[in-house]
Amino acid sequence: AQKVTQAQTEISVVEKEDVTLDCVYETRDTTYYLFWYKQPPSGELVFLIRRNSFDEQNEISGRYSWNFQKSTSSFNFTITASQVVDSAVYFCAHNAGGTSYGKLTFGQGTILTVHP
Amino acid sequence: NAGVTQTPKFQVLKTGQSMTLQCAQDMNHEYMSWYRQDPGMGLRLIHYSVGAGITDQGEVPNGYNVSRSTTEDFPLRLLSAAPSQTSVYFCASSYDYRGNYEQYFGPGTRLTVT
Repeated sequence: AQKVTQAQTEISVVEKEDVTLDCVYETRDTTYYLFWYKQPPSGELVFLIRRNSFDEQNEISGRYSWNFQKSTSSFNFTITASQVVDSAVYFCAHNAGGTSYGKLTFGQGTILTVHP
Repeated sequence: NAGVTQTPKFQVLKTGQSMTLQCAQDMNHEYMSWYRQDPGMGLRLIHYSVGAGITDQGEVPNGYNVSRSTTEDFPLRLLSAAPSQTSVYFCASSYDYRGNYEQYFGPGTRLTVT
């Protein structure tokens, strides 16, 4: 069975600091997908990124970057120059391909608080 | 497109009452799922469907029933509510035959069972 671990329960930073959210996963699937979602205080789930298992290229999108390393089963998320609006709960998730694509396994979430 | 819609947004039930949480999507997605979110536990899969007439259990299916008679709708039924079912429920959909794999989530239903 798949498992996703986000060891950091809460992180508190001051605005403009860089912050990295860790995500470690366990899977026996040869093809799988990894995701990051943001849940702001309003409660909705906002999709940030999807990565498939055969694409280990790091990705940067504005202040966000992701580091996917299959060798360590990690998919870490870095926010550069954090802002108060980044305060939210962040979830890492995994699913297998094919007909299991809709069956996401989530980590416990990391609460990020960015102080002005 | 309205995306994924869920009704109601909030609901209070008494122990033993039944109710149905509604979920609908207008993106012609094949896959639909129900999750519950509890503090400190992330989201956990309750039930799952890969198409009309096909459903499967997830990690925490006990106390919940589903059916999928149409592509658009995937209601979640609580037959006899228990306080342990107090949670926030999210419906999600994904995958159309054009190869769009993005996962879309509804806004959630906050359920309290007293």
